[in-house]
Amino acid sequence: KNEVEQSPQNLTAQEGEFITINCSYSVGISALHWLQQHPGGGIVSLFMLSSGKKKHGRLIATINIQEKHSSLHITASHPRDSAVYICAVLLFYNTDKLIFGTGTRLQVFP
Amino acid sequence: DAGVTQSPTHLIKTRGQQVTLRCSPKSGHDTVSWYQQALGQGPQFIFQYYEEEERQRGNFPDRFSGHQFPNYSSELNVNALLLGDSALYLCASSLWLVGTGVTGELFFGEGSRLTVL
Repeated sequence: KNEVEQSPQNLTAQEGEFITINCSYSVGISALHWLQQHPGGGIVSLFMLSSGKKKHGRLIATINIQEKHSSLHITASHPRDSAVYICAVLLFYNTDKLIFGTGTRLQVFP
Repeated sequence: DAGVTQSPTHLIKTRGQQVTLRCSPKSGHDTVSWYQQALGQGPQFIFQYYEEEERQRGNFPDRFSGHQFPNYSSELNVNALLLGDSALYLCASSLWLVGTGVTGELFFGEGSRLTVL
């Protein structure tokens, strides 16, 4: 079983829909990253969270440390949001090493 | 301000050869991490460099080695290439937050796609 699990693996949506991507982890962490990867490979860091909630534009990320769960929400989705979204955690006892989920592939259609 | 730059963007090698990949971190960052991403998989941590030393290493054989220079740029070297080394190699830079035990936000390069024939 992977230490970081994401769901769903694939997600399609119509433009304007509200989207939620979930991440669960089984280890103690010091921080969690949400990353966006476009075709071709480039990765952009969206959020780094250790508690609570962060918002940037149409993106919202939340984390519940007790439940070992984080969610990424996209409001008013747009075709340019189509990408792979990856959750990655920094282990509590080893802050040098990120462990990645396998990603959620999102396609938003006009 | 240039972000993280990696070179080359694509390269093709044959089994047994050696390869060197390069990474220049975002201005002001002092920590460089390398990741291997096989097709359809999430990235896997290879190692991290800080102050020109390897701080931590993932489950990769000794064929994978690296270096960090005084200007914080870094190289990843892979010797005796195998077909299974074909992957996207990602570099990420960050700033070590002294006293906290963690690094700050990560910035990734576009990656170097290595194909081993």
